[in-house]
Amino acid sequence: KQEVTQIPAALSVPEGENLVLNCSFTDSAIYNLQWFRQDPGKGLTSLLLIQSSQREQTSGRLNASLDKSSGRSTLYIAASQPGDSATYLCAVRESGGGADGLTFGKGTHLIIQP
Amino acid sequence: EAQVTQNPRYLITVTGKKLTVTCSQNMNHEYMSWYRQDPGLGLRQIYYSMNVEVTDKGDVPEGYKVSRKEKRNFPLILESPSPNQTSLYFCASRPVMGTYEQYFGPGTRLTVT
Repeated sequence: KQEVTQIPAALSVPEGENLVLNCSFTDSAIYNLQWFRQDPGKGLTSLLLIQSSQREQTSGRLNASLDKSSGRSTLYIAASQPGDSATYLCAVRESGGGADGLTFGKGTHLIIQP
Repeated sequence: EAQVTQNPRYLITVTGKKLTVTCSQNMNHEYMSWYRQDPGLGLRQIYYSMNVEVTDKGDVPEGYKVSRKEKRNFPLILESPSPNQTSLYFCASRPVMGTYEQYFGPGTRLTVT
């Protein structure tokens, strides 16, 4: 059964720093990987989706990489801002069949200090 | 605007009183699903539907029912809620082709006393 792990569980950094959030998964047979942002009491906002054939995706100050063979993904946030404070969730969709749900990690709670 | 909507957003109820949480999407997605989110356990899938009249169990289906009579709607039914169903619930939808990118609703916070 697929397991997704996110490290660290919590992170607090000063504003302006570049940072990396890590996600690992146990079964490399994935179809895609999706990074989400969750603000307190709010829903999940999709940030980036990487297909299994891709190595990275970029959106503004965010860059997500995927190393499928090693079961790892990273989310790089450049020039962090207080508005980036949120919980970041990594989720994988496994290959094979259209009925797959997403398997989520437990998230990294990020605080950007002004 | 493409979106998934849920109602109600907040609900406090008592044990055993039947309730329904509605979910609707306007993206013409075939696939819809329900997740619950609990501290320390993350998000877990309850039920999903591949299309109208096609539903199946996820990882934690006990105590829940769903129906899919229309493509846009996927209500979650708790016929006899219990305190262990206190949780944050999310509805999601996605297409069954292409990128399979999943879209989530804003969440429903349910408290069962």
